[in-house]
Amino acid sequence: GAVVSQHPSWVICKSGTSVKIECRSLDFQATTMFWYRQFPKQSLMLMATSNEGSKATYEQGVEKDKFLINHASLTLSTLTVTSAHPEDSSFYICSARDLGKETQYFGPGTRLLVL
Amino acid sequence: RKEVEQDPGPFNVPEGATVAFNCTYSNSASQSFFWYRQDCRKEPKLLMSVYSSGNEDGRFTAQLNRASQYISLLIRDSKLSDSATYLCVANSGNTPLVFGKGTRLSVIA
Repeated sequence: GAVVSQHPSWVICKSGTSVKIECRSLDFQATTMFWYRQFPKQSLMLMATSNEGSKATYEQGVEKDKFLINHASLTLSTLTVTSAHPEDSSFYICSARDLGKETQYFGPGTRLLVL
Repeated sequence: RKEVEQDPGPFNVPEGATVAFNCTYSNSASQSFFWYRQDCRKEPKLLMSVYSSGNEDGRFTAQLNRASQYISLLIRDSKLSDSATYLCVANSGNTPLVFGKGTRLSVIA
């Protein structure tokens, strides 16, 4: 199947710093990428949908100025958690959809711990 | 209203057992259906798509009942490695996949 990579796989940072997470589709072109977040023992929650070359669409309750998404190419989307706080500690997972297809492929996730 | 509803479990079954998971979905316009599995602290991985006629992949059988808006997954001859959380998804068009909490399965030796 298609491969999606994420970097870094885990990060620990101090409160107030910004963290950038990269999501890459390695062997296909992803016009649409999705960002999810999962807290312990909770379901994956969709944060935003990003389309290549346009602004991301955020789900209700997700602050667009706090979670900056850039999808500058067909193979790369980035999520920046700005001024991270302990409550932002979570498992962030990106997903990409191959052009013209239904299946979403998931990256391995980034575990963020904000101290 | 939740997009899908599943029994959260956990289902604790012995190796070799047959176990079935059920899932109901709320959107009658849903067109594509999937089962994903998620291991602890990992991303969800596609287990199988679910087709109207039902489909089988080795020990796994998926069924779809559109009239009742119901999806099922049957696992035969359970292995220890089947222990995971199983997530059903009902999707309409090109919308992003939405997940519930899933059903947790523990296969015990």
